[in-house]
Amino acid sequence: KAGVTQTPRYLIKTRGQQVTLSCSPISGHRSVSWYQQTPGQGLQFLFEYFSETQRNKGNFPGRFSGRQFSNSRSEMNVSTLELGDSALYLCASSFWGAEAFFGQGTRLTVV
Amino acid sequence: QQQVKQSPQSLIVQKGGISIINCAYENTAFDYFPWYQQFPGKGPALLIAIRPDVSEKKEGRFTISFNKSAKQFSLHIMDSQPGDSATYFCAASLSSGTYKYIFGTGTRLKVLA
Repeated sequence: KAGVTQTPRYLIKTRGQQVTLSCSPISGHRSVSWYQQTPGQGLQFLFEYFSETQRNKGNFPGRFSGRQFSNSRSEMNVSTLELGDSALYLCASSFWGAEAFFGQGTRLTVV
Repeated sequence: QQQVKQSPQSLIVQKGGISIINCAYENTAFDYFPWYQQFPGKGPALLIAIRPDVSEKKEGRFTISFNKSAKQFSLHIMDSQPGDSATYFCAASLSSGTYKYIFGTGTRLKVLA
């Protein structure tokens, strides 16, 4: 059974640009959540989707957005990138009410 | 009130010893407390989880102790092995169908051979 797949694994962007990260959940999982991991702030919740609907949103600026498609795949977008957005972005999928499985993450570096 | 405080920040244990990591929370509405293990370059992986109606849960060498009145919970790793060297995160959530986890700041464990 394939795990959570995040693409790309690594990304370098310039300040002011925008970026889109992709997450393919485990087959059959309809819940997807996103986290930002940094050395200073740790793991912080970004958003949570279930059946294409955003159920929860973390305390991040509006530059951070996401969506979920009918096949449960999810994307997150960060517009007008700032140096502080450099982080490991993690996606987790779950079958509703059960364990959340994390992907390996996308390492975003903003220069 | 949404914080989960984790200690220690780092921990060095001899092989065969017991590793203990502690977490404390404030929001009494939290209803699900998982522990995650993360190796470098990997995403976190669920180790063990507990709900507040249970005071202790054991899975192999890993045990969660939960003190509802003190709003504290801890992870005990018995017979610690070098392969356990990783970063451990406690977390809390409102279990009613949400995966909005509040994570602790992490504990970097090193087990010496």
